[in-house]
Amino acid sequence: QSALTQPRSVSGSPGQSVTISCTGTSSDIGTFNYVSWYQQHPGKAPKLMIYDVTKRPSGVPDRFSGSKSGNTASLTISGLQAEDESHYYCCSYAGSYTFYVFGTGTEVTVL
Amino acid sequence: QAQLQESGPGLVKPSETLSLTCSVSDGSITNYYWNWIRQPAGKGLEWIGRIYAPGNINYNPSLESRVTMSMDTSKNQFSLKMTSVTAADTAVYYCARSPRKVSTTYYYFMDVWGTGTTVTVSS
Repeated sequence: QSALTQPRSVSGSPGQSVTISCTGTSSDIGTFNYVSWYQQHPGKAPKLMIYDVTKRPSGVPDRFSGSKSGNTASLTISGLQAEDESHYYCCSYAGSYTFYVFGTGTEVTVL
Repeated sequence: QAQLQESGPGLVKPSETLSLTCSVSDGSITNYYWNWIRQPAGKGLEWIGRIYAPGNINYNPSLESRVTMSMDTSKNQFSLKMTSVTAADTAVYYCARSPRKVSTTYYYFMDVWGTGTTVTVSS
């Protein structure tokens, strides 16, 4: 099972919106509504930002939102803030054999 | 909220066995699913496997032949063993929690993570 495909980097100015895509296949994102997104600052553990495609855990700002269309999931950060500068990884459930597949990761830069 | 802490040798020789333990702080080990994930320096995340009481396990098919997971509910710990390691197994290893299935609702995400432990494979 190959990793999900994400852009290597995206950038935006404070207050702008950025969207990170996560492209999989009909074996993972296309079939299951179990896409999650993780934020990872350098040297730190990943932090859950979105689960079940669109749901936000308690404490995650509502400027983070998730969506899915076909085999591609997306994470949108609205009203970009300096603290959002980080790496972001998507993850999808891929069935009872492969189980989880992560994305290649995207670096978000706040200009 | 539970805190997770990985522990184990930071240096393992090639061809030997990597052994790590994750300690769960709040005694909730029977109520959740528990995962191992690794991340080579500068690279992405790779799911290794998950375990849940009373000892059910799912492994990443690409690692299954070399990996064994176990849990000790009396100690609130679960463990990872990886045999025949090579330099390609050098990574930060994380343990992480997933919510357990409730009725017909499944949860496939990791909501609590340990801080990670660095394992280097080198002679």
